[in-house]
Amino acid sequence: EDQVTQSPEALRLQEGESSSLNCSYTVSGLRGLFWYRQDPGKGPEFLFTLYSAGEEKEKERLKATLTKKESFLHITAPKPEDSATYLCAVQANDYKLSFGAGTTVTVRA
Amino acid sequence: DGGITQSPKYLFRKEGQNVTLSCEQNLNHDAMYWYRQDPGQGLRLIYYSQIVNDFQKGDIAEGYSVSREKKESFPLTVTSAQKNPTAFYLCASKTVTGGRGNIQYFGAGTRLSVL
Repeated sequence: EDQVTQSPEALRLQEGESSSLNCSYTVSGLRGLFWYRQDPGKGPEFLFTLYSAGEEKEKERLKATLTKKESFLHITAPKPEDSATYLCAVQANDYKLSFGAGTTVTVRA
Repeated sequence: DGGITQSPKYLFRKEGQNVTLSCEQNLNHDAMYWYRQDPGQGLRLIYYSQIVNDFQKGDIAEGYSVSREKKESFPLTVTSAQKNPTAFYLCASKTVTGGRGNIQYFGAGTRLSVL
């Protein structure tokens, strides 16, 4: 069975204080690893897809990387508007995404 | 604007009552999904459909039912058999073409509570 574990559960940062979120996964035949951002009371918003080890993607202050066992979401010089829950999901077949429980990031001004 | 519309935003269920959550998409996506989100847990798959008039159970289908009569629509009914329905329900859709994992796009969600 596919497993996705995200750590830490919660992360409190000062504005400008860079940090990383971890997503460890166990899956047979990875077809894609997905990062989403979710604001309170809203649906997840797609950020990145990574397909193979060594791949990196960037968007503004966010950078996602992938190895054979885990993915990292690096937040560089975060701002208060980066506060959200970040979800990681893996796809091992045609239809199903397996999600981690998420990391809730709070950035204080 | 293309997107996924879920309604209502908030829904209340009385004991023994069935309720239906609406999900409509105008993205021309073939596949549609229903997830349940509880605090501290990852999203869990309830049902999915890859084509009109066909759908499959996900990991937690008991107490739920769906239909897929139109490509754009995938309503979810929470039946009285679902004893713990209070949760945030999310609908998603994606295209099924291509060899790599395709992106699932989500609606804004429906929060269901029990009266």
